[in-house]
Amino acid sequence: AQSVTQPDIHITVSEGASLELRCNYSYGATPYLFWYVQSPGQGLQLLLKYFSGDTLVQGIKGFEAEFKRSQSSFNLRKPSVHWSDAAEYFCAVDTKLSNFGNEKLTFGTGTRLTIIP
Amino acid sequence: DSGVTQTPKHLITATGQRVTLRCSPRSGDLSVYWYQQSLDQGLQFLIQYYNGEERAKGNILERFSAQQFPDLHSELNLSSLELGDSALYFCASSVEAGTIGEKLFFGSGTQLSVL
Repeated sequence: AQSVTQPDIHITVSEGASLELRCNYSYGATPYLFWYVQSPGQGLQLLLKYFSGDTLVQGIKGFEAEFKRSQSSFNLRKPSVHWSDAAEYFCAVDTKLSNFGNEKLTFGTGTRLTIIP
Repeated sequence: DSGVTQTPKHLITATGQRVTLRCSPRSGDLSVYWYQQSLDQGLQFLIQYYNGEERAKGNILERFSAQQFPDLHSELNLSSLELGDSALYFCASSVEAGTIGEKLFFGSGTQLSVL
């Protein structure tokens, strides 16, 4: 069965420092992969996605992620974090839901990012 | 603002009670998904409706049910509530029945607290 693992529950980084959030997936076929961000009191917002092609994808807010098939990973990175990046980050894989062709998102458990001055 | 509206934002109730959560999808979206976010289970897909019909079920308990009305808004009914049902319940909508994650728009959720 498909699954997504985010091994880091909580990460703290200093403002201006670089960031990498880890994500590993388990899925039999070529996955569609996503990173979402959830700010306090808000719903999930899509940061970036990977479907195929270039394994380094760019997203909004200066984030990028790299798909590594050999490692079954899709880690999120940002060269320099801002205090406004403090939020919960979710990695997700899009999988077949039924023979109707529907799909559902399977989410990781999330990584909470804290930014210190 | 995603365009998906969920009400109420917060709900406090007691064990054994029944509550109804409401979701209005984005204008033009036909598909509604319900997700539960809890500390121990993370984000779990519950159920999907498309144009009034149930399309797929996920990890939804028998005590929970949902429906989508002709005006496309959806309600999630939670009954015989238990402490463990305390969670953030998200609704998401999309235009199509089959969707890829980029086409999914999430509401800001209903925080349910069962005391």
